[in-house]
Amino acid sequence: GAGVSQSPRYKVAKRGQDVALRCDPISGHVSLFWYQQALGQGPEFLTYFQNEAQLDKSGLPSDRFFAERPEGSVSTLKIQRTQQEDSAVYLCASSSPLTQGAHNSPLHFGNGTRLTVT
Amino acid sequence: KNEVEQSPQNLTAQEGEFITINCSYSVGISALHWLQQHPGGGIVSLFMLSSGKKKHGRLIATINIQEKHSSLHITASHPRDSAVYICGIQGGSEKLVFGKGTKLTVNP
Repeated sequence: GAGVSQSPRYKVAKRGQDVALRCDPISGHVSLFWYQQALGQGPEFLTYFQNEAQLDKSGLPSDRFFAERPEGSVSTLKIQRTQQEDSAVYLCASSSPLTQGAHNSPLHFGNGTRLTVT
Repeated sequence: KNEVEQSPQNLTAQEGEFITINCSYSVGISALHWLQQHPGGGIVSLFMLSSGKKKHGRLIATINIQEKHSSLHITASHPRDSAVYICGIQGGSEKLVFGKGTKLTVNP
């Protein structure tokens, strides 16, 4: 497909369960971002990869959150021991620098994974 | 204080009206983005700009770097423009910080 693909689209987890959310970025896109969006709020930054390197994980809310992108393409966001406050939409976005060295380029978002923790 | 403030939070307009959504920010930036999010959740990137003005169809985005302010305008608004419009800023890295969004409802 041409766009950013996220799976699953919806996930219901019991409190305490571990979950794994997947993001397939646009082929060739160097940068990949994870955002968390609570109801009625804007997306909040979680973490950012450039290829396989995790350059910024300052937005991860706790050590229960872990993200990886081992081969520089697909990324997985893992949440351990889920809590009710983790319920949100998790958005993945990718981008590719327009020119070498440029670090501003349009973002392409996936449709998100809606996580509900019961 | 949030780095990005949008106003208004909610906006209701009649079809055909001219719409303005504002975004103010408090830090130096390298680029500002405007996004559109429809009720189903999908997000579309509308504009990325670092100076001046950009136009795409009925949408116009402007930015004033000195005043740290951007506006998104919609001319001849239509019910299909109903969505949440989100402003985001980029500083020295690719990380984007977003505002809370402006919910626009355009009534027929």
